[in-house]
Amino acid sequence: EAGVAQSPRYKIIEKRQSVAFWCNPISGHATLYWYQQILGQGPKLLIQFQNNGVVDDSQLPKDRFSAERLKGVDSTLKIQPAKLEDSAVYLCASLSHYGYTFGSGTRLTVV
Amino acid sequence: AQSVSQHNHHVILSEAASLELGCNYSYGGTVNLFWYVQYPGQHLQLLLKYFSGDPLVKGIKGFEAEFIKSKFSFNLRKPSVQWSDTAEYFCAVIAADTGKLIFGQGTTLQVKP
Repeated sequence: EAGVAQSPRYKIIEKRQSVAFWCNPISGHATLYWYQQILGQGPKLLIQFQNNGVVDDSQLPKDRFSAERLKGVDSTLKIQPAKLEDSAVYLCASLSHYGYTFGSGTRLTVV
Repeated sequence: AQSVSQHNHHVILSEAASLELGCNYSYGGTVNLFWYVQYPGQHLQLLLKYFSGDPLVKGIKGFEAEFIKSKFSFNLRKPSVQWSDTAEYFCAVIAADTGKLIFGQGTTLQVKP
């Protein structure tokens, strides 16, 4: 099966700018996750979707981060405005009965 | 709340040495356990997983892990490491009732040729 697609692969922005990341999970996977992986740390769960509904967004900094999955398929994660500490790799994952499949991630650098 | 702790942040071994990476979790209920590997510049890959049954789980590339429920541990082992095992290793846990995959902070393994 095809993997989880993410774009862009890399993004460099200035602080206070906005940025959006896109994820297309494996076809038919109802559950989708966004993780933030800061250099030297393990991935931290930001938000979990079940189809187009949010299951858990308790770790999402809602003052600047937002995410949507309007049709229960692909998803967008947005940061507005970005801060220096948002520099990280943003990972998308989807879940099937085989387990989690991760995308390659988007590496965000905020300068 | 569930959490995962990996004991070693950075491990340096010579080729052919044996490896054991510690992982402990905190959660009282049913869990599923995973080890992921991340090679430099690449995405996370599943090494092995434990859902139920035999607590000794064998994964890819000669890795294995043992689930010890009484110790809340899921340590990763490999009898003889290779230079190509140089990577970051993450232990992860899903609590059965939340479905959230929570990662440890990771262990960087450096294998010297």
